[in-house]
Amino acid sequence: NFMLTQPHSVSESPGKTVTISCTGSSGSIASNYVQWYQQRPGSAPTTVIYEDNQRPSGVPDRFSGSIDRSSNSASLTISGLQTEDEADYYCQSYHGTNVLFGGGTKLTVL
Amino acid sequence: EVQLVESGGGVVRPGGSLRLSCAASGFTYDDYGMSWVRQAPGKGLEWVSVINWNGGSTGYADSVKGRFTISRDNAKNSLYLRMNSLRVEDTAFYYCARKARYSSAWYIDHWGQGTLVTVSS
Repeated sequence: NFMLTQPHSVSESPGKTVTISCTGSSGSIASNYVQWYQQRPGSAPTTVIYEDNQRPSGVPDRFSGSIDRSSNSASLTISGLQTEDEADYYCQSYHGTNVLFGGGTKLTVL
Repeated sequence: EVQLVESGGGVVRPGGSLRLSCAASGFTYDDYGMSWVRQAPGKGLEWVSVINWNGGSTGYADSVKGRFTISRDNAKNSLYLRMNSLRVEDTAFYYCARKARYSSAWYIDHWGQGTLVTVSS
């Protein structure tokens, strides 16, 4: 079964840059688009990246997405970290008829 | 403004049934596929089910296949999830979600606030 694996947690200081990875277990992660969702504590998720690297309107350009075929992984990069970025982040893709989420990464902005 | 409001959650015994509803507003409902995603307390997101714009095509996660049924009523701008043979492991917040249109990707562009289903004896 195809799976998406994320680090359990990452932390960084305000103003810095952090990258969260999402690694595909088999096949090519580049075969289907990857999305990223942000979930702040006590709130529903919101979309921050779709189609690998596109930002919905209203999402600041501090958020960017990319695909690395050599490591079979997708990445979410957040630059100029702000305390409001502290949240859980989930990658998502699809494989056949299944929609898949990564396990989530808790971002702590120290 | 897109709004998705879930209802119908509650406490149910193992083996019991429950029907969730989602009232949609702020967009042309029958233009969009819709989905349910759940999240066990303190855990990650898990896709549950999807339905296309007219209800003619549906999909389910293996964990709920044969027990859950997704449906929609476009005249009422509503989405439903009928859950039968509920298990303790079905305990979760259930989110109603709109599948993005005009994209080659499968992704969710709007989420409801969720309704909690607790399966416990």
